Amino acid sequence: EDQVTQSPEALRLQEGESSSLNCSYTVSGLRGLFWYRQDPGKGPEFLFTLYSAGEEKEKERLKATLTKKESFLHITAPKPEDSATYLCAVRLTDSWGKLQFGAGTQVVVTP
Amino acid sequence: DAGVIQSPRHEVTEMGQEVTLRCKPISGHNSLFWYRQTMMRGLELLIYFNNNVPIDDSGMPEDRFSAKMPNASFSTLKIQPSEPRDSAVYFCASSRQNEQYFGPGTRLTVT
Repeated sequence: EDQVTQSPEALRLQEGESSSLNCSYTVSGLRGLFWYRQDPGKGPEFLFTLYSAGEEKEKERLKATLTKKESFLHITAPKPEDSATYLCAVRLTDSWGKLQFGAGTQVVVTP
Repeated sequence: DAGVIQSPRHEVTEMGQEVTLRCKPISGHNSLFWYRQTMMRGLELLIYFNNNVPIDDSGMPEDRFSAKMPNASFSTLKIQPSEPRDSAVYFCASSRQNEQYFGPGTRLTVT
């Protein structure tokens, strides 16, 4: 069965304390891995798409990387405004545009 | 550009009533997705359309749920009759190629 697992479930960081979130997947065929950010009361906001092992994408303090079995979202020197839930999702080869989401990692950055 | 538009933003209804949620996708996007988000189950895909045609409705929980997309600019998700366990946030998302862009969601409460 195809699965997407995110860890940790929650992460509390001091401002400036860098850390990484993990998204591991067991799928039969991957056509893309997506990272989203979700703020309370809002819809998920698209961050990155990764397609092949070794690929990296960066945006401000965030960097996403991909291996054959997992993806990491690195948060460098986080600020309180980086507090959010981060969701990863996979797109399967035989699923048209369908995405399967993980449960998310809730990140809180304190000043 | 306007993003995905959903209405209403909040809906409170009594058990047994019909509920209709509305979505206007981003202009030029040819795929539309309906999701449901709860604390227990996370983000679940209910149904998606490509070029106004339903492609996969395997996530629709019961026959009480139905969705239509009469044209490229409008879609509805209907629940009839509604039940308390339908209480959740319902998101609509649209895409042109790979990345899905989400609306702000409709928070549904069924009492």
